[in-house]
Amino acid sequence: EVQLVQSGAEVKKPGESLKISCKASGYNFNTYWIGWVRQMPGKGLEWMGIIYPGDSDTRYSPSFQGQVTISADKSISTAYVQWSSLKASDTAIYYCVRRRGYVCDHWGQGTLVTVSS
Amino acid sequence: QSALTQPPSASGSPGQSVTISCTGTSSDVGGYNYVSWYQQHPGKAPKLMIYEVSMRPSGVPDRFSGSKSGNTASLTVSGLQAEDEADYYCSSFAASNNFGVFGGGTKLTVL
Repeated sequence: EVQLVQSGAEVKKPGESLKISCKASGYNFNTYWIGWVRQMPGKGLEWMGIIYPGDSDTRYSPSFQGQVTISADKSISTAYVQWSSLKASDTAIYYCVRRRGYVCDHWGQGTLVTVSS
Repeated sequence: QSALTQPPSASGSPGQSVTISCTGTSSDVGGYNYVSWYQQHPGKAPKLMIYEVSMRPSGVPDRFSGSKSGNTASLTVSGLQAEDEADYYCSSFAASNNFGVFGGGTKLTVL
């Protein structure tokens, strides 16, 4: 069974750094793109970026280029997204997804990130 | 990349059918058969309901169907049930980027 299990909710202050994770199981982690999707409170879904763990090829949505860093550790089948300096506007739920072609066929449970002073 | 256009809300009574539209351009919805639909219940992660315009993943009831005409894709839910009340998002491959594009979402209410 394919599973994506994300790290728990975080409460941070503006300017702090953060790295959240997504651990995959039940399939060959190296051969599917993993993406990150943001959902701000009460809003829709937005692509942040994607990574191919097999060779670490990473693509960013223009809105998120330079704002976050996406990475993956093949040895533990885990993908990450990190911020070096959080802003209040980063408050959102972040989902990791497995991409099969152009389809998000499996989703993590989501990680709520709250940034507040 | 602009989001695909969905109506903000749709509704129907139990047993009825409802159709949700998703309008894009020839560079996304109209140009490729890579339209997907996702269902999201409050407080839950989205779930894949339809892919490649009209394909249903295993386990998705056949009450859910998808179609496309020109630049507009549609999701039809037949025989509405209370559990179908959720937000629905469409998504399409887009020639301009590596990710595709999501619609703004439609809140489906079962009256």
